[in-house]
Amino acid sequence: DAGITQSPRHKVTETGTPVTLRCHQTENHRYMYWYRQDPGHGLRLIHYSYGVKDTDKGEVSDGYSVSRSKTEDFLLTLESATSSQTSVYFCATARGGAYEQYFGPGTRLTVT
Amino acid sequence: GENVEQHPSTLSVQEGDSAVIKCTYSDSASNYFPWYKQELGKRPQLIIDIRSNVGEKKDQRIAVTLNKTAKHFSLHITETQPEDSAVYFCAASLPVNQGAQKLVFGQGTRLTINP
Repeated sequence: DAGITQSPRHKVTETGTPVTLRCHQTENHRYMYWYRQDPGHGLRLIHYSYGVKDTDKGEVSDGYSVSRSKTEDFLLTLESATSSQTSVYFCATARGGAYEQYFGPGTRLTVT
Repeated sequence: GENVEQHPSTLSVQEGDSAVIKCTYSDSASNYFPWYKQELGKRPQLIIDIRSNVGEKKDQRIAVTLNKTAKHFSLHITETQPEDSAVYFCAASLPVNQGAQKLVFGQGTRLTINP
């Protein structure tokens, strides 16, 4: 599973609070991605990174920010969580020169 | 932007029979088409993929076909087994910044294998 871990695995938080999810990889993969999974929508890209400090928006980036200060870690932050951000969040990685993306175990986030 | 449609949303087949899941995409710039299998509560797992310069790829009981002209691709599972029961997702990949690939997913197909 490409040595990808996510933390926390489950979180319940209140509307309006900040939340940070962490993705950690041990494969030295260049590319990292954050997706959210909701019933009826498959997986949708939130943000991605193509190197340390290099990030860009995906298709559902509103309300989210990311940071990548080192190769192995990619953080997803919800500045002020809303109920519409209740979802399962998956991180994925890919090595340079390859198309294949491998997913982490996911984080189930509930915003009450 | 890219849009991927996947059908059917649910599929039930008898053990030993074949299953086919179909996807269409809209952006002709898409160049890579992976399929993921996701069991309940688990991560999506890459099971097979195909690049835009290839028409068909096979790996044991699973195969994928691609028709670039029609912009559709399909997953074929033969001799289905109970462990094939899962949700399957197709995706189309678009190149973005500096070699990164943006995956756009279909809505998923819940496949049930009946013993």
